[in-house]
Amino acid sequence: GAGVSQSPSNKVTEKGKDVELRCDPISGHTALYWYRQRLGQGLEFLIYFQGNSAPDKSGLPSDRFSAERTGESVSTLTIQRTQQEDSAVYLCASSLGLATVTDTQYFGPGTRLTVL
Amino acid sequence: AQTVTQSQPEMSVQEAETVTLSCTYDTSESNYYLFWYKQPPSRQMILVIRQEAYKQQNATENRFSVNFQKAAKSFSLKISDSQLGDTAMYFCAFAGSNYKLTFGKGTLLTVNP
Repeated sequence: GAGVSQSPSNKVTEKGKDVELRCDPISGHTALYWYRQRLGQGLEFLIYFQGNSAPDKSGLPSDRFSAERTGESVSTLTIQRTQQEDSAVYLCASSLGLATVTDTQYFGPGTRLTVL
Repeated sequence: AQTVTQSQPEMSVQEAETVTLSCTYDTSESNYYLFWYKQPPSRQMILVIRQEAYKQQNATENRFSVNFQKAAKSFSLKISDSQLGDTAMYFCAFAGSNYKLTFGKGTLLTVNP
């Protein structure tokens, strides 16, 4: 596709429910990243994929958070038993993945998650 | 660990004027990239400009330019001839030997007519 897409755009859920957030990276981009942006804050790194492998999950806040990726395409971020502090915008980015320090990450529009 | 600091939570500028957004960072790495991203109300993070640390020449993209002072670990963004469409949150970001982008907390820029 022309850019990174994410769905849904907005998600409202009740505390304790599970949610799935989807990211479609730019075609041909092997690297994929998830970030969280809390209100009024910068972005926090959550997880990085190279292909369908996740060499770095260090940013995931708790074991309620997990992510997977199918090949070099779609990724899903799952939050189980959502809590109010999970409310944030979840942003996905992708890059060519050829050389990490030189890669530019291109972002999707994000999913705004609200946990009531 | 790297840190990125944006000391100006909010700034405003009159249309057609010039504004400079500040960013400082801390790292022990010698090879890294610095970025400015723009986030308008649509939430889409848009890359504005990037700078390779090994290049002494400051990056320029049309009305956007940076003042990169490597020794001082400073990376400011200058927007010339400000336009109403420049109104957005601006984030400074660092990418080093790993793949993570480390972001500052952002500066909300408002361009007034």
